[in-house]
Amino acid sequence: QKEVEQNSGPLSVPEGAIASLNCTYSDRGSQSFFWYRQYSGKSPELIMFIYSNGDKEDGRFTAQLNKASQYVSLLIRDSQPSDSATYLCAVKGTASSSNTGKLIFGQGTTLQVKP
Amino acid sequence: DTGVSQDPRHKITKRGQNVTFRCDPISEHNRLYWYRQTLGQGPEFLTYFQNEAQLEKSRLLSDRFSAERPKGSFSTLEIQRTEQGDSAMYLCASSPPPGQGSEKLFFGSGTQLSVL
Repeated sequence: QKEVEQNSGPLSVPEGAIASLNCTYSDRGSQSFFWYRQYSGKSPELIMFIYSNGDKEDGRFTAQLNKASQYVSLLIRDSQPSDSATYLCAVKGTASSSNTGKLIFGQGTTLQVKP
Repeated sequence: DTGVSQDPRHKITKRGQNVTFRCDPISEHNRLYWYRQTLGQGPEFLTYFQNEAQLEKSRLLSDRFSAERPKGSFSTLEIQRTEQGDSAMYLCASSPPPGQGSEKLFFGSGTQLSVL
């Protein structure tokens, strides 16, 4: 079982819709959760992070965390064609990473927003 | 703050050759990471430095790979006797010391390696 799992997609949504991206993780001791956006041929860019159960909102983005279910999600409201990218879920604070701060990444979900 | 800088952006080499990549982290970031990413996959952790000390190395990392961070500033990643399976994007990331937003990793633009 992979430590961080995402559906590779592609997830296709029309412009203006809500895009919902999901991620599960295997280590119940994980502490911090991150969403990175990666455009084709570019490096990952941090867009959201969340530590506590519940929702965290930043502009059109909302991160949701449910530690009991070991599940984290990212909602993108009013999706725009410029949001088309791969979204990487990353986890820190597992047994293998708690001392170093390293992130364990999922494989990413490709989002396509169609005009 | 000029961000994380990596050099070169692209490297094409023949199988069996040695290659070296350089990473300059954000100034005052004492934590430095190397990741490798292949098409359709997320970044895979390779190694971690805190200042000049290499504190963790992935078990997946062949002994053909070596990394250094002399004086705790820039870092180099060397691959000896390259193989076609080494073809990937090599990403460097840095983060500040604990208590200063160290949970956030900032990535460089990466070095795309192609082994022919």
